[in-house]
Amino acid sequence: DAGVTQSPTHLIKTRGQQVTLRCSPKSGHDTVSWYQQALGQGPQFIFQYYEEEERQRGNFPDRFSGHQFPNYSSELNVNALLLGDSALYLCASSLQGRGYTFGSGTRLTVV
Amino acid sequence: GIQVEQSPPDLILQEGANSTLRCNFSDSVNNLQWFHQNPWGQLINLFYIPSGTKQNGRLSATTVATERYSLLYISSSQTTDSGVYFCAVVEGYGGATNKLIFGTGTLLAVQP
Repeated sequence: DAGVTQSPTHLIKTRGQQVTLRCSPKSGHDTVSWYQQALGQGPQFIFQYYEEEERQRGNFPDRFSGHQFPNYSSELNVNALLLGDSALYLCASSLQGRGYTFGSGTRLTVV
Repeated sequence: GIQVEQSPPDLILQEGANSTLRCNFSDSVNNLQWFHQNPWGQLINLFYIPSGTKQNGRLSATTVATERYSLLYISSSQTTDSGVYFCAVVEGYGGATNKLIFGTGTLLAVQP
């Protein structure tokens, strides 16, 4: 049973560029959440997708957007990258909000 | 919003020692999980424990929801237990669209 799969694992981008991160949820899960984890801190909630709609959003600017596909996979898009966007981006999936499973993350470096 | 605090912030143990990590939360929760983040960033789900006690090998956890705290016990620690331990909660009444709120984490280093 495959867990949560994220791609790519590492990424280096230049300030002002745009980036797309991808997540495939654990088999049987229908909800995908995205988190940003800066160095030395706990993960911070970005947003959550359920039934292909954004259902909740954390305190992140509109530069952060996402999408969920009919197969429950999801994308996180960040526009106009800033140095402060450098972080580990984690995807988590769950079924009806019980027992979140996290992927290995995408480590984004903005230079 | 709900606040989640963990203690201690840092912990150094000799291999074989036991430890207790604590998580306090400021309001009622519907979901509580303990995670271990290894040095490579992978968050491993240890326990889903909104209440009661669970055990898995050398690890066990207890959540007393009415008193708003949870404890994670690590017995006979090994160097592979090193990393950051996070407690995360979902506030409110549960359901499909509730977010996880993470605590401040406990950095554990187990020395050989």
